[in-house]
Amino acid sequence: QKEVEQDPGPLSVPEGAIVSLNCTYSNSAFQYFMWYRQYSRKGPELLMYTYSSGNKEDGRFTAQVDKSSKYISLFIRDSQPSDSATYLCATAGGTSYGKLTFGQGTILTVHP
Amino acid sequence: SAVISQKPSRDICQRGTSLTIQCQVDSQVTMMFWYRQQPGQSLTLIATANQGSEATYESGFVIDKFPISRPNLTFSTLTVSNMSPEDSSIYLCSGAGLAGVHEQFFGPGTRLTVL
Repeated sequence: QKEVEQDPGPLSVPEGAIVSLNCTYSNSAFQYFMWYRQYSRKGPELLMYTYSSGNKEDGRFTAQVDKSSKYISLFIRDSQPSDSATYLCATAGGTSYGKLTFGQGTILTVHP
Repeated sequence: SAVISQKPSRDICQRGTSLTIQCQVDSQVTMMFWYRQQPGQSLTLIATANQGSEATYESGFVIDKFPISRPNLTFSTLTVSNMSPEDSSIYLCSGAGLAGVHEQFFGPGTRLTVL
């Protein structure tokens, strides 16, 4: 079993839709939960991170962590074609603080 | 956040040869890392580049195959040695400052094809 599981998609939505991206993880020691966006032929870009459980909002993006169910979510409101990218969840903390563990990434396409 | 550049951005190499990838950060960082991202796959950590000492390698990666240097707080190199087609991948450098690894930022990657 992978430490972080993410549905690779692809996910295709119309412009303006609400997008929900999700990951599950197995190591209860993880404390930090990150979402990265990666455009084609570019490096990953950190969107936001959450420490422990709870929600965090940044503009159209909301990250949500439920440690009881080991579930990580990213919501994108009013999605735009420019949001089309691969979204990667990642975790850190626990016994290997210096290491990020990534999900496989979900390919998102927002069509006009 | 700091900006990371990598050279080369891409290369096509023959099997049995070696390639050195350079990573430059525009400000000092506490930690630097090297990742591999195979087509359609997630990022896999190769090693942590330690300043002035040997890198710390993850399971499945060895120094003879992926020697790493980090002479100062802003520069690191990764060499892919004795390459085979299975080494074809994107190699990414990343850095993190005092805030911690959860605020890690990445370079644009080096796209390597081995024939």
